[in-house]
Parts: sequence; C-alpha cells; structure tokens
Amino acid sequence: NAGVTQTPKFQVLKTGQSMTLQCAQDMNHNSMYWYRQDPGMGLRLIYYSASEGTTDKGEVPNGYNVSRLNKREFSLRLESAAPSQTSVYFCASSERKNIQYFGAGTRLSVL
Amino acid sequence: DQQVKQNSPSLSVQEGRISILNCDYTNSMFDYFLWYKKYPAEGPTFLISISSIKDKNEDGRFTVFLNKSAKHLSLHIVPSQPGDSAVYFCAARDFGNEKLTFGTGTRLTIIP
Repeated sequence: NAGVTQTPKFQVLKTGQSMTLQCAQDMNHNSMYWYRQDPGMGLRLIYYSASEGTTDKGEVPNGYNVSRLNKREFSLRLESAAPSQTSVYFCASSERKNIQYFGAGTRLSVL
Repeated sequence: DQQVKQNSPSLSVQEGRISILNCDYTNSMFDYFLWYKKYPAEGPTFLISISSIKDKNEDGRFTVFLNKSAKHLSLHIVPSQPGDSAVYFCAARDFGNEKLTFGTGTRLTIIP
C-alpha cells in the first residue's frame, strides 16, 4: 500500500547542476501536483497535472519543468539549480476535486 | 497576497485539554476547506474537511467549524493527546478548481 512514492529522499546539488525529482502514485488518480515547502511559507504549488498529457503552472513555476510521463508518474526537473531552490519538495495526487495525498518529500539543498 | 492565513505559528496545550487552531481566508470563491497534519520528515496527511454549505464537521476528537461571514475556520481537538503534536496546515479549494491554497501552518505541541 505505497500511495505516493518520491525519490530521492535527500539530494545535495551545486549551483548550476540539473536533476529530476521522481514521483509515482498507485491509487489510479488523475491529478498530480508538485509543491515546495519553505519555512514560514507553507506549501506552494509549483506545477500540477489534471490528467495524463496535461500540465499547468502553479504559484511558483519559474526554474522548474515537469513531465506527466503516464497516469502514474509526474516528474519535476531543475535544469540549472539555484540556492533559492533549496527546499523540501512534495508530490501529491488526487482524484479530481477530492483530497490530495502526499508523498514523504524530497529534501533538496543547493550549494 | 496570502489568501489563507494562519496567524499563530505555534501553540502549546496541556494534554487532555482542548486545542483550537485558527485559519482565516480572503477569497470568497473558496468552497471547500481542509486540515492537514504533518509530522517531521513525513508528508502532510489529510485530517478533516468541510464544505462551504456546512458550518461544522466532526470526526472523533476533531471538529472543524466554518464561519463564512467572518471568513474564518477553526479546528478543535478534544481531548488533546501527545500524538497530536505536529504542524497543522489549513487549505482551501477554489470553486471549480482542483488546486489547493495552503496556509503557513501552526506547530502544535501537547505538553504531557
């Protein structure tokens, strides 16, 4: 009963490096989301995907790209990491307008 | 512009007493509200929700109250237990939209 699985759990990057955060859900949900959590800022939506093949920008999309590979998987890519992208990243999924279920998060540090 | 506000960053409550967490919002188009609980090094987990057509929803020790005229909701936990120590996020959904807007969270500490 995995739910939403995120990899990796931790990552340290140097400024300018690229990486992809992976997310997979096994609940057959149509909608998937990427958030970042920063101290004092709550959870802010980066991108979301209402269905396979569609993606839309959220509140803080700059510096990120996403791919909805199939119904299960939604990846987040940092092409050229910056220290401002140091954060905890959460992936979530939901069945349309219902409750969102979250993964355990990826803690990213950009030096 | 913070559309969902949790003005208390932290709250300490004695075990067995009532914990009251508050949340204010500014967007009149919000039609569904949720509370999430988050432990360290884990993702947020859904706790309880309420539709804008209701003013109260209960689930065991947890009750959420919605005051639409004041654009205010609160989460009551009675009685509070040590396992309730966590960060609580209030979230709101815009009518016709799948996206959630989260507050900044309140760290609840239950004192044994």
